[in-house]
Amino acid sequence: DAKTTQPPSMDCAEGRAANLPCNHSTISGNEYVYWYRQIHSQGPQYIIHGLKNNETNEMASLIITEDRKSSTLILPHATLRDTAVYYCIVSPRRGAGSYQLTFGKGTKLSVIP
Amino acid sequence: EPEVTQTPSHQVTQMGQEVILRCVPISNHLYFYWYRQILGQKVEFLVSFYNNEISEKSEIFDDQFSVERPDGSNFTLKIRSTKLEDSAMYFCASISGPGELFFGEGSRLTVL
Repeated sequence: DAKTTQPPSMDCAEGRAANLPCNHSTISGNEYVYWYRQIHSQGPQYIIHGLKNNETNEMASLIITEDRKSSTLILPHATLRDTAVYYCIVSPRRGAGSYQLTFGKGTKLSVIP
Repeated sequence: EPEVTQTPSHQVTQMGQEVILRCVPISNHLYFYWYRQILGQKVEFLVSFYNNEISEKSEIFDDQFSVERPDGSNFTLKIRSTKLEDSAMYFCASISGPGELFFGEGSRLTVL
C-alpha cells in the first residue's frame, strides 16, 4: 500500500472548517484514499473514502487533487467532539476479506472553543 | 445504529495466563477482524476471518493467538499464554462487503 504523510497535529477553532492534508505521492491507480478517525482511545471510526472524484457525506468532504498525489479532508463546521486523531490511509479496494488497513500516526486535531 | 460490541472492556491478567476477548459483530456482516493498539502506538492489523477460517494474518498473529466463531453471533480472540508485550487495546471490526470497516470500542488488556 502507498505511504501517506500527514502533519502530526493541527488546531482548529470551533465552528470553523478544519482542513486536514494528506500526501500520498506514490499512490497507484487502483488505490483508494480512506479517512478514519480515533477519538481518545475508542475504536477507529470510518469517515469517508474516494478514488479520484471529490466526495461528500454527512460527516465530511474529501478533495483529491487531479494527479491524486494529495488530498484534503474537510470538516465544514468543527465541534469539540471532532477532537481526535485523523488517519489518512491509501489502500486498494480489495475484497472485504482483505481489509488490512495500515494505520500511520495520523494528525491529532484539537478543536479549540 | 448497529454496532460492534466487545467484552470485557478491561481485563487484567497475570503473565502466562490464557485470555479470551469477545466480540459481537454487526448481525449481517460476514467478515471479521482483530486489530490491536499498544499504548501510544499505531493501530495494527492482526487477523481477518471469513467463512469460519482465517483469511489473512499478520506477523504479530503467531501461534499464541487464535480466533474462533463459536456460534452465530460471537467472534473471539484467544491469547494462549499472555506476555507483558500483549498489553494493548484490542479492537474487533466487521464488514458486510466492500465498504467501511466498523470497529468496536475495544478491550483493554493489561498483562502483569
